[in-house]
Amino acid sequence: VQLVESGGGVVQPGGSLRLSCAASGFTFSNFGMHWVRQAPGRGLEWVAFIRRDGSNKYYADSVKGRFTISRDNSKNTVSLQMSTLRADDTAVYYCAKSTMTSSGLDYWGQGTLVTVSS
Amino acid sequence: QSVLTQPPSVSAAPGQTVTIPCSGSRSNIGSNYISWYQQLPGTAPKLLIYEDHRRPSGIPDRFSGSKSGTSATLGITGLQTGDEADYYCGTWDSTLSAVWVFGGGTKLTVL
Repeated sequence: VQLVESGGGVVQPGGSLRLSCAASGFTFSNFGMHWVRQAPGRGLEWVAFIRRDGSNKYYADSVKGRFTISRDNSKNTVSLQMSTLRADDTAVYYCAKSTMTSSGLDYWGQGTLVTVSS
Repeated sequence: QSVLTQPPSVSAAPGQTVTIPCSGSRSNIGSNYISWYQQLPGTAPKLLIYEDHRRPSGIPDRFSGSKSGTSATLGITGLQTGDEADYYCGTWDSTLSAVWVFGGGTKLTVL
């Protein structure tokens, strides 16, 4: 299993950014996918989850209405569209694969850093 | 303020046993499986325990998980210096809508 995030970088407050996660080594369409972030020196914060068929999406209150999770099962990718970014969105963003029973996050990418700063 | 409560830090000597508690409520630990994650410095988190007590392939049996009511515990026996890391519990919370929640994390120091 391999998860590779991309799309991080520096963005101004109020700006937008799209993160992508390329998955390989497993049947992507059979598993839900998460995004989790970690601000510098802080703990893990869950961001969003999308079911295996994309039918349901769930968001943390801190990003609801600003971030959108999506997936393309034909390309084995999951994305996170982030808009109206704020300084407190600065973090390393990880994509993670859900277990079959959605009871945990069993594989994680290496993360991509998003910095929101003017 | 995390929905799941963990102590900020624990410590023990090499070879000793340590337990890390995670306290929640009926809407999270009390009604959903708990999982545990290890994050070594500068690396991505790694799943240690899922479905309360199950270990993924490759995780040594020095690591164990248990749950009772609205609390869960990660146990580590035969502590090694390489176990020094941050440990997080996580689970679904279904108070209003389904959200995943993590504990605030516990820094394990192996003295």
